[in-house]
Amino acid sequence: GAGVSQSPSNKVTEKGKDVELRCDPISGHTALYWYRQRLGQGLEFLIYFQGNSAPDKSGLPSDRFSAERTGESVSTLTIQRTQQEDSAVYLCASSLGTGGAGEKLFFGSGTQLSVL
Amino acid sequence: AQSVTQPDIHITVSEGASLELRCNYSYGATPYLFWYVQSPGQGLQLLLKYFSGDTLVQGIKGFEAEFKRSQSSFNLRKPSVHWSDAAEYFCAVGARSNDYKLSFGAGTTVTVRA
Repeated sequence: GAGVSQSPSNKVTEKGKDVELRCDPISGHTALYWYRQRLGQGLEFLIYFQGNSAPDKSGLPSDRFSAERTGESVSTLTIQRTQQEDSAVYLCASSLGTGGAGEKLFFGSGTQLSVL
Repeated sequence: AQSVTQPDIHITVSEGASLELRCNYSYGATPYLFWYVQSPGQGLQLLLKYFSGDTLVQGIKGFEAEFKRSQSSFNLRKPSVHWSDAAEYFCAVGARSNDYKLSFGAGTTVTVRA
């Protein structure tokens, strides 16, 4: 597609429920990233994919968080047993995947997650 | 691991006035440095980046930033602000390795008054 697409744009859930957030990267981009942005804070790195593998999962806050990517395209971030502290904007980005940390990231508009 | 500090949470500037946003980083070597802008309702957009060479970097929308190794800083500037520059600005640093992770600052919100 023309840009990085994320869905849903807004998600309200009850504490303890599971949620799935979806990211469609720019076609041809092999690197895909998930970041979290809590209110009033900077972007917090969660995980990145190179192709379908995830070399760096160091940012995942707990074992309730998992992510997968299939077909070097769509990625899903799953949060199990959501807690109120999971409330944040979850941002996905993609890049060409050839230049390491020097690459330009293309961001989606994010999913605003609210856990009641 | 690298980290970024943006000391100013919020800056208000008059339209037509100059703007400078501060960014300090912590990293053991020369990093990759970026400024991203997040306008209301939009995704983050890259303004400019520093890799090597000339320490004064030109970006889009009339922005520039200067890398100062001695001060571990990468401040963003614009000589004359337009109302459309009201947004949140994020500084980011990346390591010169095969790691794709960027560390972002907490952001500076810019308000432009008429």
